[in-house]
Order: sequence, then C-alpha cells, then structure tokens
Amino acid sequence: GENVEQHPSTLSVQEGDSAVIKCTYSDSASNYFPWYKQELGKGPQLIIDIRSNVGEKKDQRIAVTLNKTAKHFSLHITETQPEDSAVYFCAPVQGGTSYGKLTFGQGTILTVHP
Amino acid sequence: NAGVTQTPKFQVLKTGQSMTLQCAQDMNHNSMYWYRQDPGMGLRLIYYSASEGTTDKGEVPDGYNVSRLKKQNFLLGLESAAPSQTSVYFCASSSLEGAEAFFGQGTRLTVV
Repeated sequence: GENVEQHPSTLSVQEGDSAVIKCTYSDSASNYFPWYKQELGKGPQLIIDIRSNVGEKKDQRIAVTLNKTAKHFSLHITETQPEDSAVYFCAPVQGGTSYGKLTFGQGTILTVHP
Repeated sequence: NAGVTQTPKFQVLKTGQSMTLQCAQDMNHNSMYWYRQDPGMGLRLIYYSASEGTTDKGEVPDGYNVSRLKKQNFLLGLESAAPSQTSVYFCASSSLEGAEAFFGQGTRLTVV
C-alpha cells in the first residue's frame, strides 16, 4: 500500500506570511495529488489538486507543486489569513484499480496568528 | 443540494452493542467510502464501494461490515462495539477514480 508522510505536523505563522506543507509518498503509480482542508467539527474539503502530468497549479493564494521523480508534492499558501487556520491533509491516489481510494497523510495543524 | 449526509451525528454505545451508521449522497456518485479519524492518525479507510452492490476492504476493516444496496446509500455496521472503535467516522463519495471526494460532517461515536 501507499506510505504517506506529511511535514510539518504543526505550523504556526503570522498573518501575511507564507506557509508550506510537504507530502512524501511511496507509490510511483500514484497519479492524482489532492490537498484537503479540515475545519473544526467538519469533514475534509478539497482545496486544490494536481495530476501527474502537471508540475504546478495555482488558485489565488494557494498552489501545489509536484515532483514525481522525488515522489513529493507541496502545498503553498501565500498571504495567510486567520481563516486559513485548520488541519491540512495530503491524500495521494493510486491509479489502476484503486477506485480513487485516498491514503491520507497524518495532517498538519496550521495556525495563523493575527 | 445536500451532498453527503451522515446520521447520526453523535452516538454513545455500550461495549457489545450493535449499530449502523448511515450515509446518503445525492450527487449520483459511483464510489463511496467510510473512514475513521483518530487523533494524530489522519483518516484511515475502513471500507469502500466502487459501485452499487460491490464493496471491498480498506486499511482497517476488522469489526465492521458494510452494505451498498442502493447507489445513494452506504451503510457501516458495528456488530459488537468495542472501546477501540471510539472515533469520528466520515463517509465520502466521488464520481470516478482520482476525482474529488466529498465528505459528510462526520459521526462521533463513543463506546463505553
């Protein structure tokens, strides 16, 4: 199965700073790389994703970069705001017959201080 | 559009009791999943279903059973609850392999 490691486990930044979370995976057959945000008391929600034929994707203040050779992808949040405070999960997806099963990282608790 | 709806939201069971967690989605998704979330361990896949009538084990299936009789519903059963099954359970659905997964609000289960 897929081994997923996410770093750091906690991240504390000042409002306006940038935040970067890295996810390392083991299965070279993985072909879909999403990031989920989980707010307190809610289920995870997709915030950005990237497929294996693309190196970088941006959506306003968030971006994801993928290095398939090194088997890692990263979430970048610029100009952080207090509402970005949440738990973030990477969840690389194996291809083939895995039916889109998500293997979650351990999560990163991001705290943005006003 | 309700998305993914889980019932109940909270439940307390005594050891040995049984119960069924219910999940319904109104997005006509083929795939549905049950995850459990424990502190510091992310979300772990219990069972998944690629289509109506089919189910398969995930990472932590022991002590659970599932049923997918209708496309929109995915049921998770605990036959004899144990304290180790105290957790937050999330149901999710997606339209096809590798696509966005939509999660319910979760069911907080405590087994005493």
